[in-house]
Amino acid sequence: DAKTTQPTSMDCAEGRAANLPCNHSTISGNEYVYWYRQIHSQGPQYIIHGLKNNETNEMASLIITEDRKSSTLILPHATLRDTAVYYCIVRLTLINTGTASKLTFGTGTRLQVTL
Amino acid sequence: DTEVTQTPKHLVMGMTNKKSLKCEQHMGHRAMYWYKQKAKKPPELMFVYSYEKLSINESVPSRFSPECPNSSLLNLHLHALQPEDSALYLCASSGVLRNTEAFFGQGTRLTVV
Repeated sequence: DAKTTQPTSMDCAEGRAANLPCNHSTISGNEYVYWYRQIHSQGPQYIIHGLKNNETNEMASLIITEDRKSSTLILPHATLRDTAVYYCIVRLTLINTGTASKLTFGTGTRLQVTL
Repeated sequence: DTEVTQTPKHLVMGMTNKKSLKCEQHMGHRAMYWYKQKAKKPPELMFVYSYEKLSINESVPSRFSPECPNSSLLNLHLHALQPEDSALYLCASSGVLRNTEAFFGQGTRLTVV
């Protein structure tokens, strides 16, 4: 699995957009980009994933560069409840092999949302 | 139902004890995972089961023994653990044939004394 690099920590004012970058310069063509977050002492929560196109759901938007070497997770209006560690993960796509692929966490970005 | 249920939530065990952690999901997922997470560190993958068969073992010591008795259940049997094995143990499940998201349980906080 490709390695990811994220800033250790970021701050964001409540109500503003939080833009969390991730570098995955060694990503291969059959690897997806996943984002999870973990609020203190809870299990990780899935946010969004994508292959090459930008994606949006009710939680966030994912922008993947054209060369796929980096991506940005956007929380459009951050709230205090979004304070968490955010993990960017690159995961191999294994279709029809009958075997699940690894989901390997990096060190993540600690996002602190403040008033 | 997108829930992965882990029991117990907390467990304290001695180094000579045998205990088991349990994980259950009813989403029809045929891939299930065990992770270990130490304080202020990311989750570390331990085992992956696909269609109830062990498909990935990340060189985990044999004092941790996983078991997948059916498609909804995943156990982690613990024996002769060390204090450094104290951690949050997380279970997750996902689809196998399509690239889908994994759902995580809230974990079991294990303390070895």
